[in-house]
Amino acid sequence: RKEVEQDPGPFNVPEGATVAFNCTYSNSASQSFFWYRQDCRKEPKLLMSVYSSGNEDGRFTAQLNRASQYISLLIRDSKLSDSATYLCVGFGGNNRKLIWGLGTSLAVNP
Amino acid sequence: NAGVMQNPRHLVRRRGQEARLRCSPMKGHSHVYWYRQLPEEGLKFMVYLQKENIIDESGMPKERFSAEFPKEGPSILRIQQVVRGDSAAYFCASSPPSGEQFFGPGTRLTVL
Repeated sequence: RKEVEQDPGPFNVPEGATVAFNCTYSNSASQSFFWYRQDCRKEPKLLMSVYSSGNEDGRFTAQLNRASQYISLLIRDSKLSDSATYLCVGFGGNNRKLIWGLGTSLAVNP
Repeated sequence: NAGVMQNPRHLVRRRGQEARLRCSPMKGHSHVYWYRQLPEEGLKFMVYLQKENIIDESGMPKERFSAEFPKEGPSILRIQQVVRGDSAAYFCASSPPSGEQFFGPGTRLTVL
């Protein structure tokens, strides 16, 4: 089993829709989590950090459920510009290594 | 505060040549990571370095690839005797102690 698993999608949604991605992790020692966004042929960009009970930033909400070992990302009122691949990342342990999911592809359609 | 810088942005090499990729971390960051991304695939971790030390090279191919992060100057990823299968985007990231990694724009290597 991969340490961080994501549904690869693709998710195709209309503009204005609400879409949610889930990510599960297997290492209970993971201390913190991040969501990154990667556009085609570009570098990944940090979208949100997710600590303890989660956080919200505008249309984006990230939640962490330690008991069930999953992280979610909710995007409300989706825009065309939200089309990208969303990467779930776990961090923890003494080796300071980030563990990357393979990403979930989102396409927002007009 | 300038972001992570990588150069060159595009690099073309013939089979058998050497490729040198450079990465300057963000100011104040002493942790550097290298990743490779093949077309239509996810990021693959290669190596994690701190100044003058390789911390984790579990993702590095055993041959032809090496990385360094000297006390002065950028981190270098070196690929000797390149083959067509080395064609990929190579991303460098740096991080502060809290763990978030910030990425450079990448170097796209094409091996002819």
